[in-house]
Amino acid sequence: DAGITQSPRHKVTETGTPVTLRCHQTENHRYMYWYRQDPGHGLRLIHYSYGVKDTDKGEVSDGYSVSRSKTEDFLLTLESATSSQTSVYFCAIRETHDNEQFFGPGTRLTVL
Amino acid sequence: KNEVEQSPQNLTAQEGEFITINCSYSVGISALHWLQQHPGGGIVSLFMLSSGKKKHGRLIATINIQEKHSSLHITASHPRDSAVYICAVDSNTGNQFYFGTGTSLTVIP
Repeated sequence: DAGITQSPRHKVTETGTPVTLRCHQTENHRYMYWYRQDPGHGLRLIHYSYGVKDTDKGEVSDGYSVSRSKTEDFLLTLESATSSQTSVYFCAIRETHDNEQFFGPGTRLTVL
Repeated sequence: KNEVEQSPQNLTAQEGEFITINCSYSVGISALHWLQQHPGGGIVSLFMLSSGKKKHGRLIATINIQEKHSSLHITASHPRDSAVYICAVDSNTGNQFYFGTGTSLTVIP
């Protein structure tokens, strides 16, 4: 199994508070991704990174920011959490652009 | 508009049956992926393919690039195959990765 962890695994927070989710990998893979999974929508890309300090937006990036200051960590921040951001968040890594993706275990976030 | 469509959405089968899950896509792709998600949430990559057919144990994945269609077959299905199967594609224009909404498979003993 690819060495990829997410923290926290579960979080309940209140509307308006900032939240940071962490993805950590031990594979030294270049590409890292944040997705959200919601019923009826499948997985949707929030942001991705193609190297340290190199990030780009996905299709549902509004309300989210990311940072990657070192290869192994990719942080997702909800600047001011809203109930619409209640979801399951998955991190994924990829060695190159055309390899398979490996997924983390997911973080279940509930915004009350 | 969904770039990736899967059918059926839900599927119930008896143990031992041959199962087919279909995936159609509308964008140009460099590769197509089949993923498996078990209850409890973990997502595992089953196949990545850009042409032809791949086989792993009782699972077979095929792709027809001209028709923009892929199928995932499970032979001699077993209750442990019960999971959600997700089709995803790598767009050949930029770093875009599109997912289907998944097919929920239940195999009854």
